[in-house]
Amino acid sequence: AQSVTQLGSHVSVSEGALVLLRCNYSSSVPPYLFWYVQYPNQGLQLLLKYTSAATLVKGINGFEAEFKKSETSFHLTKPSAHMSDAAEYFCAVSEVRDDKIIFGKGTRLHILP
Amino acid sequence: GAVVSQHPSWVICKSGTSVKIECRSLDFQATTMFWYRQFPKQSLMLMATSNEGSKATYEQGVEKDKFLINHASLTLSTLTVTSAHPEDSSFYICSARSPGTPGSNYGYTFGSGTRLTVV
Repeated sequence: AQSVTQLGSHVSVSEGALVLLRCNYSSSVPPYLFWYVQYPNQGLQLLLKYTSAATLVKGINGFEAEFKKSETSFHLTKPSAHMSDAAEYFCAVSEVRDDKIIFGKGTRLHILP
Repeated sequence: GAVVSQHPSWVICKSGTSVKIECRSLDFQATTMFWYRQFPKQSLMLMATSNEGSKATYEQGVEKDKFLINHASLTLSTLTVTSAHPEDSSFYICSARSPGTPGSNYGYTFGSGTRLTVV
């Protein structure tokens, strides 16, 4: 069964600094991978997704992620953090297109002024 | 873009009563919807997959008699928490497979969630 592991339940970065949120996946077939953001008491918003096309995926709000098969990773990055980026971020995986997706435990991103 | 409306956004109910949560796809047809449960500061746990016109598929450990799912139309799925107890208090989120162009929000759209508090 597929799964994702997010390293670090909390990550703190200074405003303007690089954001790096780590995600490793496990899948028996080429996966579909997603990053979602959740603000308090709200649903999830899709940041970006990997669907076996380009390995470097650009998303909204300046985020991007790179699929590395050899490392089974899909880390999320943003060159310069903004205060508004403070939220919970979830990495997710699906083994079949349009099938159920499984979420990682999430990483809370804190932005320091 | 694809929108999923979830209602109510929050509800407080007495222990022993039942609560129904609605999940509607507003501008597209959703043959499949998913129901998740999220405990405070934790991840989303998939509860069940709801298919229009057929029985829902529940994940292991989820009580199907406790969490009744009905997907009677292509735009509406409901989750009913029956005989609710305080331990059922949680944040429930639905999602739907959404149409669209690859590279956009194609794939899944999430509702805004329902905060259930059982007292």
